[in-house]
Amino acid sequence: GDSVTQMEGPVTLSEEAFLTINCTYTATGYPSLFWYVQYPGEGLQLLLKATKADDKGSNKGFEATYRKETTSFHLEKGSVQVSDSAVYFCALILNDYKLSFGAGTTVTVRA
Amino acid sequence: DAGVTQSPTHLIKTRGQQVTLRCSPKSGHDTVSWYQQALGQGPQFIFQYYEEEERQRGNFPDRFSGHQFPNYSSELNVNALLLGDSALYLCASSLVAGEKLFFGSGTQLSVL
Repeated sequence: GDSVTQMEGPVTLSEEAFLTINCTYTATGYPSLFWYVQYPGEGLQLLLKATKADDKGSNKGFEATYRKETTSFHLEKGSVQVSDSAVYFCALILNDYKLSFGAGTTVTVRA
Repeated sequence: DAGVTQSPTHLIKTRGQQVTLRCSPKSGHDTVSWYQQALGQGPQFIFQYYEEEERQRGNFPDRFSGHQFPNYSSELNVNALLLGDSALYLCASSLVAGEKLFFGSGTQLSVL
């Protein structure tokens, strides 16, 4: 079935460090890919998305590029802040509109 | 414009009991999906409702059932609760033809 695998955490960084969270997917068709973020005590929020190969999603300084050849959608941010501390989920959706999530990566940014 | 609202925010039940969780979708949205998020895990799809019918279902037993009302709000019912049902239950709404899901803050269910 369709699935997402993302790097295990937790990840601890210092402010202004570079962040990468790896995500790879398995799908029978051509999915849309997403990164969701869950801040402490809050629900899931869409961070960015990409709907086809080579698309780049970006938001709040985060970027991810849909790589069909490597079935990947890695999340990056060049300079993290304490406020970026959260759990990040990679997800995919196919024609059935059912999101399949990865297990999540907990990121902690220290001042 | 209110987003997706869920009630209650927290709930404690004992094994064998039944529970009902409620969700009001974002204004203008007609599709409601439910997800179960166990501690330290990603959300797992339970089912999706559209036009008051269950349109899709994930790998959850029949103890999990739902309903959608004419105003698009939805309920999730779980019968014969097990300890393993303890989780955060998330509701998400969307337009039927769209992919962008809006999530509520969830109901934290604890089964003792």
